[in-house]
Amino acid sequence: AQKITQTQPGMFVQEKEAVTLDCTYDTSDPSYGLFWYKQPSSGEMIFLIYQGSYDQQNATEGRYSLNFQKARKSANLVISASQLGDSAMYFCAMREGFGNEKLTFGTGTRLTIIP
Amino acid sequence: DAGVIQSPRHEVTEMGQEVTLRCKPISGHDYLFWYRQTMMRGLELLIYFNNNVPIDDSGMPEDRFSAKMPNASFSTLKIQPSEPRDSAVYFCASSLELGVRLSSYNEQFFGPGTRLTVL
Repeated sequence: AQKITQTQPGMFVQEKEAVTLDCTYDTSDPSYGLFWYKQPSSGEMIFLIYQGSYDQQNATEGRYSLNFQKARKSANLVISASQLGDSAMYFCAMREGFGNEKLTFGTGTRLTIIP
Repeated sequence: DAGVIQSPRHEVTEMGQEVTLRCKPISGHDYLFWYRQTMMRGLELLIYFNNNVPIDDSGMPEDRFSAKMPNASFSTLKIQPSEPRDSAVYFCASSLELGVRLSSYNEQFFGPGTRLTVL
């Protein structure tokens, strides 16, 4: 079974609209962390936001927020007021277990913002 | 504040040749990771080190791949002999020890990657 599933290969969104990128995960470990990274066309991987399995509140970082639904094992990334510079690949990743530094990545979603 | 540095940025080589990719992690970071990204397989962890010691190399594809970290500021990923299916972007990343950070997580900081093409 896939550890991280991103079901949207590509999305097109009008500039200034909000967008939700889906991510579901599979783990039996009660201690885990979920990360979102952005990869623009230049290729670098940029960390966006983190959600820990024991965190009581959904994570937020500026225009990024994470809709964490633990029972459904989903950790969707929400980008508010999208901008042209948000066009990129977005990857969801998971780290399982305390003390384990290994990240497992999803296949990514290519987001295109339309002016 | 320099980020993770990788060299070369691009490498084109012929099948059978030895390839060495280099990485300089962020100063003070305790963990170093090597990833490979391809269209077919996505982003995969190859190996990671903690304080220069390899911790998990289960992602290394086969014996043709080897990685070393002789000191805290340098690591190499070597492919010998290289094959066309090794063509990919190879990323190096580094992070701090969890307990060192004030926040409850330690994100990995990625280098710009090395685009390897094996003809």
